[in-house]
Formats: sequence, structure tokens, C-alpha cells
Amino acid sequence: GEDVEQSLFLSVREGDSSVINCTYTDSSSTYLYWYKQEPGAGLQLLTYIFSNMDMKQDQRLTVLLNKKDKHLSLRIADTQTGDSAIYFCAERTDFNKFYFGSGTKLNVKP
Amino acid sequence: DVKVTQSSRYLVKRTGEKVFLECVQDMDHENMFWYRQDPGLGLRLIYFSYDVKMKEKGDIPEGYSVSREKKERFSLILESASTNQTSMYLCASRGERGQSYEQYFGPGTRLTVT
Repeated sequence: GEDVEQSLFLSVREGDSSVINCTYTDSSSTYLYWYKQEPGAGLQLLTYIFSNMDMKQDQRLTVLLNKKDKHLSLRIADTQTGDSAIYFCAERTDFNKFYFGSGTKLNVKP
Repeated sequence: DVKVTQSSRYLVKRTGEKVFLECVQDMDHENMFWYRQDPGLGLRLIYFSYDVKMKEKGDIPEGYSVSREKKERFSLILESASTNQTSMYLCASRGERGQSYEQYFGPGTRLTVT
């Protein structure tokens, strides 16, 4: 499969911004996604970006895509304790295949 | 709202048992997927199906099989469970309409094989 890499852990204080990074290898990616997984639950789509976009903003979430470096980031402004979860980045390449990163566990300290 | 349900949240089985994990979606989606999730490894695709009675191997199909007799239901079968199949299993579905091709996930089944 394709390589999608993320760091495993990130710890921030409540109110700070969080930045979760992801790198991927396949230059034919069409869509890139960020999913959130809360404890004991499945994955929930947070946001996605089409590969011809550089940035997408949705309330507290900002996605940045550097296609040249194959780097994707998710910035969460004013991070809250309810944002504590595992965040997965994923890319869609072939018709029916998605490739997920290993997930970044975000810990928000009060 | 799309709903993807999985038959059990937790399962404990013995080595050598045959195990069925069921997944049902209510959005008339063509595509359904089975992943396993392990710490530090993220999600790995086991099998997927793009239509009734159709199946394709994912990245780690060994030790698993699947069945899709009806559009809304996709079953994962462990013919003879082994301890290295202890994991969280996630089912997902995806339609062909819509720009984002989003996958919708079920809550997961945590399987322990003893």
C-alpha cells in the first residue's frame, strides 16, 4: 500500500492551537481527508481537501496542503478538551482504495 | 444521517473458532470495506466490495474471507481464529454519488481471541 505517515502523539494546553502533520507518497492522490476517532468509537470525517486546493478552512479547522512536498496539516484553533482524540489522515488514490496514516493521539491538557 | 452498524461492540472467541462479524448500512451504498485497526499501524484494509457478490482483496486478506449477499450487508469471516487476529475491526461504506467520496464508519468491533 501507499505510505501515509503521522507522528503518534501530540500534547497541547487548552486554548492553544494544535497542528497535526501528515505526509504521503502517492502524487496521484485526488482527495485527502482528516478523520477523528473518539475513545470506543468509529472514525468520523472532520474535513477533506481536493488535491488542487492549497487551503480549506472550516470554523476552528484549517487544512493546508503542500502538494509539491506531499504534506498535509490540520490546525485546530482554540483547542478544547473535547478535541482529545486520535486523528487520522487518509488519501484516496485508486478508484476504491483509501490509505490511512497510523493516527495521531491528541491530548489536550486543561 | 448515514448509519453503519456492526453486530457486536465486543467479542471474545477461542483459538480455532469460526467468527462472523456483521456490518449493515442503511444508505444504499455500493461500496463496503473491512479494516482492522492496531496501535501504531493505523487502519489496514482487509477486503472490500463494490457490489453484491463482488469482493476484492485489500492489503491483508490472509486468514479472512467476506460475504456480500445483499447490498446493505457485508460480513467478515475468520475461518479459524488465531490470537494474532485480536484487534479492532471497523466496517465502512461509501456511495458513488457526492464529490468527496467520503467513507462512513461503524463503531467498531473489538475482538479478542484467547
